[in-house]
Amino acid sequence: AQSVTQLDSQVPVFEEAPVELRCNYSSSVSVYLFWYVQYPNQGLQLLLKYLSGSTLVKGINGFEAEFNKSQTSFHLRKPSVHISDTAEYFCAASKETSGSRLTFGEGTQLTVNP
Amino acid sequence: DTEVTQTPKHLVMGMTNKKSLKCEQHMGHRAMYWYKQKAKKPPELMFVYSYEKLSINESVPSRFSPECPNSSLLNLHLHALQPEDSALYLCASKSRAGPGYEQYFGPGTRLTVT
Repeated sequence: AQSVTQLDSQVPVFEEAPVELRCNYSSSVSVYLFWYVQYPNQGLQLLLKYLSGSTLVKGINGFEAEFNKSQTSFHLRKPSVHISDTAEYFCAASKETSGSRLTFGEGTQLTVNP
Repeated sequence: DTEVTQTPKHLVMGMTNKKSLKCEQHMGHRAMYWYKQKAKKPPELMFVYSYEKLSINESVPSRFSPECPNSSLLNLHLHALQPEDSALYLCASKSRAGPGYEQYFGPGTRLTVT
């Protein structure tokens, strides 16, 4: 079975500091990986995705992620965060044999403090 | 237009009521989803429609009844709900049912069952 593990449930940082949100996946077959952000009382918005090709993926709002097959990781990074980045972040994965299903991690609450 | 719309935004209903949630997209997407999300948790898949046919039902109680009248519209009919059904209900769509496509989420309907 496929699983997605977000290693930190909460990450507090100060404004303008760098941040890394960690995500590990388990799969014996090729996977497609996604990071979504959810602001309070809103739906999920896609930040970035890895389908194939370059392992460094750039997304919206200055975020990027690196696919590491040997470490089975897909960590999300931003070099300098803003107050407005405070939100819940979900890592998600799908694979050829999972059909239409998307497996989500438990989420990481990023809180950016002034 | 990359928008998924959901109505109503908020809904309060009693346990004997019948109500419906509506989801609409005009992106030409052929896969549509219903999710249930509890506070501080990832979305849980309920139903998937692919080419207007129900393809996945995650053993959801029959008090939830999905309907896909056409390729742009998805409804969720609610009847005799329980207080534990109170949650954020999210609709999503994607261009094809396969795993290598991102899902676009609507803003959700906040449901409270009294």
